[in-house]
Amino acid sequence: DAKTTQPPSMDCAEGRAANLPCNHSTISGNEYVYWYRQIHSQGPQYIIHGLKNNETNEMASLIITEDRKSSTLILPHATLRDTAVYYCIVRPRGGSQGNLIFGKGTKLSVKP
Amino acid sequence: NAGVMQNPRHLVRRRGQEARLRCSPMKGHSHVYWYRQLPEEGLKFMVYLQKENIIDESGMPKERFSAEFPKEGPSILRIQQVVRGDSAAYFCASSPQDLMNTEAFFGQGTRLTVV
Repeated sequence: DAKTTQPPSMDCAEGRAANLPCNHSTISGNEYVYWYRQIHSQGPQYIIHGLKNNETNEMASLIITEDRKSSTLILPHATLRDTAVYYCIVRPRGGSQGNLIFGKGTKLSVKP
Repeated sequence: NAGVMQNPRHLVRRRGQEARLRCSPMKGHSHVYWYRQLPEEGLKFMVYLQKENIIDESGMPKERFSAEFPKEGPSILRIQQVVRGDSAAYFCASSPQDLMNTEAFFGQGTRLTVV
């Protein structure tokens, strides 16, 4: 079972920031937070991941609370092409664990 | 550098036939993962392979399903005697090492329809 909780859906106006929350209250010290998204009918796409510090790349920013029990993915200027299901995943560092446990994710609809 | 390539993109099989799904990982990637996505559901992990070895098959159905990743050539997910419930999108992902601190790159999937 997924160890994260996300709202099932969100709307965002084109050009505005999209803030997608994720609750992972049972996260342990050696677990990373990953974000992927799946645009309709396509394969999932990696967005960003982090351990405890905030992270930023060309796609998004990841803000992790100090207690690490929740995080927020920020798309700074959402476009129509950002409409997708966004998955927040926690997984441990190390070992030979090769699988990502996808929950139901948040369906983000970017509207003109 | 080409991405993860899956073929065929669409596959139609009659009940009882065999389905073979192929996945060529990204260049330099020796770790492959297969996921299944049933209609209107999330992705479910099936199997994790490294060259010539199955590392984790905890998500594979016990019967009719098998996977391999030979030393040469693509990874193959094989479904014998398909049933209607096998209709789904099957995604393959690859990574250069195990998912310790890196991301997995996914292919565009094979959509299997059993008629």
